[in-house]
Amino acid sequence: GAGVSQSPSNKVTEKGKDVELRCDPISGHTALYWYRQSLGQGLEFLIYFQGNSAPDKSGLPSDRFSAERTGGSVSTLTIQRTQQEDSAVYLCASSLEGFFNYGYTFGSGTRLTVV
Amino acid sequence: AQSVSQHNHHVILSEAASLELGCNYSYGGTVNLFWYVQYPGQHLQLLLKYFSGDPLVKGIKGFEAEFIKSKFSFNLRKPSVQWSDTAEYFCAVSLLGFYGGSQGNLIFGKGTKLSVKP
Repeated sequence: GAGVSQSPSNKVTEKGKDVELRCDPISGHTALYWYRQSLGQGLEFLIYFQGNSAPDKSGLPSDRFSAERTGGSVSTLTIQRTQQEDSAVYLCASSLEGFFNYGYTFGSGTRLTVV
Repeated sequence: AQSVSQHNHHVILSEAASLELGCNYSYGGTVNLFWYVQYPGQHLQLLLKYFSGDPLVKGIKGFEAEFIKSKFSFNLRKPSVQWSDTAEYFCAVSLLGFYGGSQGNLIFGKGTKLSVKP
């Protein structure tokens, strides 16, 4: 597609429920990144995919967070047993490839609210 | 761990004032440097980037940034701000390894919110 597409744009969930966030990168972009943006905290790195593999999962905050990418394209970030501190905007970005990082194109994000 | 510091949390200026937003990073090796902007209600957009060569980089909308390697800094400047520059600005760094390739993700600062009074 023309840009990075994320869905849903907004998600309100009850504490303890699981959520899935989807990212559809720009066609042909092999590198995909997930970040979390909280008020006053800037952008917190979560995970990075090069193709379907994730060389760097170091940013996932806990084992309740997982992500996968299939077909070198769409990625899903799953948060199990959501907690109130998971409330944030989850951003996805893609780039042509990861080794020479010329900068990302970001999606509009998914605003997650855990009540 | 490597980090990016943006000195100002919130900057308030009147239109036509000059702008300088500070950015410092902690990494002794080679870096690529970026400034992103997030206008209210919009997604993050690339403002400008530095890879190599002339340390003074010009971006969109009259913004420029200067890479000073000895100071590990990449400050963003604009001679005369407009109300439409009201946004949040993020500095980001890509750490490069021995062969010049990225070591992974961009590391972002916490952002500086710019409010321009008309």
